[in-house]
Amino acid sequence: DGGITQSPKYLFRKEGQNVTLSCEQNLNHDAMYWYRQDPGQGLRLIYYSQIVNDFQKGDIAEGYSVSREKKESFPLTVTSAQKNPTAFYLCASSIEQDYSNQPQHFGDGTRLSIL
Amino acid sequence: KQEVTQIPAALSVPEGENLVLNCSFTDSAIYNLQWFRQDPGKGLTSLLLIQSSQREQTSGRLNASLDKSSGRSTLYIAASQPGDSATYLCAVRPGDYKLSFGAGTTVTVRA
Repeated sequence: DGGITQSPKYLFRKEGQNVTLSCEQNLNHDAMYWYRQDPGQGLRLIYYSQIVNDFQKGDIAEGYSVSREKKESFPLTVTSAQKNPTAFYLCASSIEQDYSNQPQHFGDGTRLSIL
Repeated sequence: KQEVTQIPAALSVPEGENLVLNCSFTDSAIYNLQWFRQDPGKGLTSLLLIQSSQREQTSGRLNASLDKSSGRSTLYIAASQPGDSATYLCAVRPGDYKLSFGAGTTVTVRA
C-alpha cells in the first residue's frame, strides 16, 4: 500500500545529543514537509522540500536540520541546539507544492522525549 | 499573519446527534481549506478539501462549508457514531506553500 512511514514511533534524546527522525514515502510525491505538534497548539512547519536536493525553512527551523537526497526520503535531525525538543513530529507529502489543490498526506508521527 | 481558531476545544455528544465543528480564519485570501481527523497518537487523515471557489464539499456523512468573506468554515457530521470520536483540525492555505492549522476540536461521541 502507498503511504508515508515514519520511524521510530518513540524516541528519547539525552542532553547534548543529536537524533534523526526518518520519513519515507512511496506515493511518488514531489513535496515533503516536517511539522511539530505541541499539546493545545496547531501544527507548526519546521522545514519543507519541493524537489530533491532543495529544501526551505519553515516557521520554526532553529535547532533542526534536514536533507533531501532522494525523492522518497526526508529525514529530520533534531540537534542539541533545540532546547525544547519534546513534541510530536509529523511528516507529510503532497503531489506538488505550488498552487496545488491536492491534499497533504501524513505519516503516523514520532514522539520525541528528553531523558 | 493568518490565525486559525477552532472553538470549542472539546465537545461531547450522545450517539446519533449531528456534529457541528467551527473553524475561523483572519485572512480571507486563501487558496483552499482542509479538514483533517487525528486519532490519539496518530497522524492526520485528510477528510475534505474545499477550494476557494467552492462553497461546500461532501463525502458520505461529512459536509464542509466555506464562507471566505466572513472567514469561516463549518464541518457537519451527520448521525454521529462512537467511531467519530477524534480530534478534528482545519487548515487554510494562502497563495503560497504553507498550511496554517487550528489547534483542533476534540470530539467524544457517547454510546
